[in-house]
Amino acid sequence: NAGVTQTPKFQVLKTGQSMTLQCAQDMNHEYMSWYRQDPGMGLRLIHYSVGAGITDQGEVPNGYNVSRSTTEDFPLRLLSAAPSQTSVYFCATGGTGDFYGYTFGSGTRLTVV
Amino acid sequence: AQSVTQLGSHVSVSEGALVLLRCNYSSSVPPYLFWYVQYPNQGLQLLLKYTTGATLVKGINGFEAEFKKSETSFHLTKPSAHMSDAAEYFCAVSEGSNDYKLSFGAGTTVTVRA
Repeated sequence: NAGVTQTPKFQVLKTGQSMTLQCAQDMNHEYMSWYRQDPGMGLRLIHYSVGAGITDQGEVPNGYNVSRSTTEDFPLRLLSAAPSQTSVYFCATGGTGDFYGYTFGSGTRLTVV
Repeated sequence: AQSVTQLGSHVSVSEGALVLLRCNYSSSVPPYLFWYVQYPNQGLQLLLKYTTGATLVKGINGFEAEFKKSETSFHLTKPSAHMSDAAEYFCAVSEGSNDYKLSFGAGTTVTVRA
């Protein structure tokens, strides 16, 4: 039982490049979300999903796309990376019946140069 | 929309001393409240949560928090700090059982002096 797996752990991109951050879970959780963590700002919600085929925007969605074709996977796409997207990204999942025992992945540290 | 304010970005305590981390929230409906801990270069781990019922909530590693509706607070305490408590702590709120989105505070970094 791996829980929540994020790949890659580290990534350096050049401005304008695109990439996909992967998040996979094996806990059959309905809810999945992406947060970014920046110093002094806590974690801010980018996008979230309450089930396969359903996604919605969070607090800071600009520059990011998501899709949810399966229960297990929730990839985050950066279409044209910008230095402002340098951050640590966390995927979090939760079962709608367990009152928010959210499980976080170990994070992806992204640097855009 | 809900929001969280953590008072103090850094807290330094002596080993064996009381740890007190302050969290105030705003929410238009009865909130669900959480404390998470993050060790260096790791993800977040749930310490404890309040949903309904008893307002004093006990969590892992000897931490507890009390929900005070009148003060809109959810402060985290531990009677005796241990070196292993050095980490960053986040308070978070969601607007009840139908809201799966968490709003986080800015975090409080705890250092423990020997």
